[in-house]
Amino acid sequence: DAGVIQSPRHEVTEMGQEVTLRCKPISGHDYLFWYRQTMMRGLELLIYFNNNVPIDDSGMPEDRFSAKMPNASFSTLKIQPSEPRDSAVYFCASSLSVNRNYGYTFGSGTRLTVV
Amino acid sequence: AQTVTQSQPEMSVQEAETVTLSCTYDTSESNYYLFWYKQPPSRQMILVIRQEAYKQQNATENRFSVNFQKAAKSFSLKISDSQLGDTAMYFCAFKADFGNQFYFGTGTSLTVIP
Repeated sequence: DAGVIQSPRHEVTEMGQEVTLRCKPISGHDYLFWYRQTMMRGLELLIYFNNNVPIDDSGMPEDRFSAKMPNASFSTLKIQPSEPRDSAVYFCASSLSVNRNYGYTFGSGTRLTVV
Repeated sequence: AQTVTQSQPEMSVQEAETVTLSCTYDTSESNYYLFWYKQPPSRQMILVIRQEAYKQQNATENRFSVNFQKAAKSFSLKISDSQLGDTAMYFCAFKADFGNQFYFGTGTSLTVIP
């Protein structure tokens, strides 16, 4: 199993540009989570999906952020327009519902730098 | 709402020694799970150990063990025979039995000194 795959690993963009982060969950996992990690705020849940349907997006900071999961094997997190304060590491994680009390499997994260 | 507190931003330990990382949490839930995750410089979040709140026995995974004090809402991680590869950020996390969200502490940066 290749684990949770995120791309790109690093992204540097200019303020105002659109940024798209990608995630491929573990095959068969029906939950997918997007987290943001910063020094100031630690790990924050942005949104999560169950069976491709967004369940809770209350952590999405503002309308500039959007997430989609068009199928069971792919999700995107988009920021448009990006701002310097969006600079952070963005993690995707997945889990299987029957095993969700056993912890998530995380991807390696995307480090986003907005200049 | 659940909160997880890690009061030690940074710690260090000599190689081969034992170190304990602290974590406290606040919840009104009766059934829940607690976790310790390790984040090495590679950034990968790795599950170290898991504790079920309804089990009194403390979880153990090789050199890693926990001291779970349910009444005190405390969940500390003990690393025995520390190795250089243990150098990482360590996050304590909480999950309610019927919830889907994990709540993370702010992390403790552990450095193992040769």
